[in-house]
Amino acid sequence: DSGVTQTPKHLITATGQRVTLRCSPRSGDLSVYWYQQSLDQGLQFLIQYYNGEERAKGNILERFSAQQFPDLHSELNLSSLELGDSALYFCASSVAGEEGKLFFGSGTQLSVL
Amino acid sequence: QKEVEQDPGPLSVPEGAIVSLNCTYSNSAFQYFMWYRQYSRKGPELLMYTYSSGNKEDGRFTAQVDKSSKYISLFIRDSQPSDSATYLCAMSLSGSARQLTFGSGTQLTVLP
Repeated sequence: DSGVTQTPKHLITATGQRVTLRCSPRSGDLSVYWYQQSLDQGLQFLIQYYNGEERAKGNILERFSAQQFPDLHSELNLSSLELGDSALYFCASSVAGEEGKLFFGSGTQLSVL
Repeated sequence: QKEVEQDPGPLSVPEGAIVSLNCTYSNSAFQYFMWYRQYSRKGPELLMYTYSSGNKEDGRFTAQVDKSSKYISLFIRDSQPSDSATYLCAMSLSGSARQLTFGSGTQLTVLP
């Protein structure tokens, strides 16, 4: 168990809908990262937050947004969903100063039908 | 061309074999190199973490980085069925925005 908690584990929704994925980092970790994993694209970095502020942005679509709250949990919002958004979404956290040492949650499997 | 290329596999070996997993990369600015292991339907977990060139050993695992060739390797000695997983190489730039660039992963099966 990595200590990173993600909910829900599975999400099935329809095209055009909006969903929210939730992540609680390990106790004490200030950084939260969101990744998308699909068969054709592999593991792709979406966005990083550090102590409530956006720190780095990757290949995140404009339809997607994220935030980190004062209690350090984070939410990833996906809107106007398309079939191609079906993927595994991972949250990870890291210790300050050791950003390469990521601790991943078990992921949310999103299926857009 | 992708920034990080990883041998796709899949790779099947008998129990006890030495496994070699490899990645090449194009960006010479990468400074941090990692290997993650991912079991089916689980999140990746960090196996090895190295900075710059050289070797690092941890139990049955050895990570090698050759920055001059832009090539990294992970060796698994005395492989076990429990090593069956997908192995992802990852690397990052120095600096504050250290998002990782991952390889596509090699699926390994160790047969008992």
